[in-house]
Amino acid sequence: EAGVAQSPRYKIIEKRQSVAFWCNPISGHATLYWYQQILGQGPKLLIQFQNNGVVDDSQLPKDRFSAERLKGVDSTLKIQPAKLEDSAVYLCASSFMRSTEAFFGQGTRLTVV
Amino acid sequence: TQLLEQSPQFLSIQEGENLTVYCNSSSVFSSLQWYRQEPGEGPVLLVTVVTGGEVKKLKRLTFQFGDARKDSSLHITAAQPGDTGLYLCAGDLGNAGNMLTFGGGTRLMVKP
Repeated sequence: EAGVAQSPRYKIIEKRQSVAFWCNPISGHATLYWYQQILGQGPKLLIQFQNNGVVDDSQLPKDRFSAERLKGVDSTLKIQPAKLEDSAVYLCASSFMRSTEAFFGQGTRLTVV
Repeated sequence: TQLLEQSPQFLSIQEGENLTVYCNSSSVFSSLQWYRQEPGEGPVLLVTVVTGGEVKKLKRLTFQFGDARKDSSLHITAAQPGDTGLYLCAGDLGNAGNMLTFGGGTRLMVKP
């Protein structure tokens, strides 16, 4: 069974530029999460989708971050404009509905210079 | 202040030693999970505990959920270099949407 796919694996951008990350969850998983993991810390939930609806986005910096899951499958996370403190690994995870057993992708390591 | 506090933050031990890491909160969780994360990879689920007082074993790893479902521990017997990694606990408060909140992690290094 294919796992959670994320791209790109690495991205280096200058501050004030924009960037987008893509995630393809495990087939059949209704719930999709985006986490931000700063070096040396645990993952912080940015946004959670159930199918194509947002369950929680209370920790998403909405002035610069946006995410969508238009058809309830793939998802994109965008940052515009990026700040130095956005340097982190962005993890996508998915799970079956009403389950918290999440399966993670390898993440996208973003460096903002 | 994080919802889930993990301790210790760092642990460096010799191969063959035993260790315990802790995950504590003042909140009650409907379930709690442990993940291991290796460099450059996403976290991988090790176990889920749902019942207060529950103990689960996975080879040399023993997981315990506190009676009040506010804390958990992970004990590793006879640690091996392959156990090296970041151990994360994550809890579900049981509110709508089954949101998963992570602790800060314990970084374990097992030296041969």
